[in-house]
Amino acid sequence: EAQVTQNPRYLITVTGKKLTVTCSQNMNHEYMSWYRQDPGLGLRQIYYSMNVEVTDKGDVPEGYKVSRKEKRNFPLILESPSPNQTSLYFCASSPPLIGGMNTEAFFGQGTRLTVV
Amino acid sequence: KQEVTQIPAALSVPEGENLVLNCSFTDSAIYNLQWFRQDPGKGLTSLLLIQSSQREQTSGRLNASLDKSSGRSTLYIAASQPGDSATYLCAVREHSGSARQLTFGSGTQLTVLP
Repeated sequence: EAQVTQNPRYLITVTGKKLTVTCSQNMNHEYMSWYRQDPGLGLRQIYYSMNVEVTDKGDVPEGYKVSRKEKRNFPLILESPSPNQTSLYFCASSPPLIGGMNTEAFFGQGTRLTVV
Repeated sequence: KQEVTQIPAALSVPEGENLVLNCSFTDSAIYNLQWFRQDPGKGLTSLLLIQSSQREQTSGRLNASLDKSSGRSTLYIAASQPGDSATYLCAVREHSGSARQLTFGSGTQLTVLP
């Protein structure tokens, strides 16, 4: 079954304690990205990756890091979490934009992070 | 910068009604548009994907249309059921070089009353 898997689904942590949210996809997609969803602000892109070892900032990258050492994995790293990073996080993957190709985006189930 | 707007923000209808959700976007140079469903506290489930060259897509009781020139898409839900209650999000993927991101609207929260 084609899927994007995020872990953990729920996480409560304290300010400043480094954490990693993992994301893995089994569809051999080149493109992966991270979004955060906040009430009234919708979904906003944090970082994206076009392929292995190729990452770039989205609209709200401050306070986050990512890495893409393997095609299937795209972890989101919060080196020093702060309360304003409390949010619902989604990882997504899709094929590359090649003319006429279906580029449906697949999303993980989300990670609800609370930073106290 | 692309902006996506969804109207209405919330909608409540009795079971069995047909309904239309609206999505508009400011930059018509899109690659595709995707409609998602999100249940409370849950992930996003893809409903329909419309390529920029297409006018509509259908899946069961759902029909999505796209008018790229006017920057509009609609999601039509026929014979609504309580199980359709969820937030519906539309998102556009732009055509520009490195911009592969999806730009989302804020969603329409649908409640179908039994």
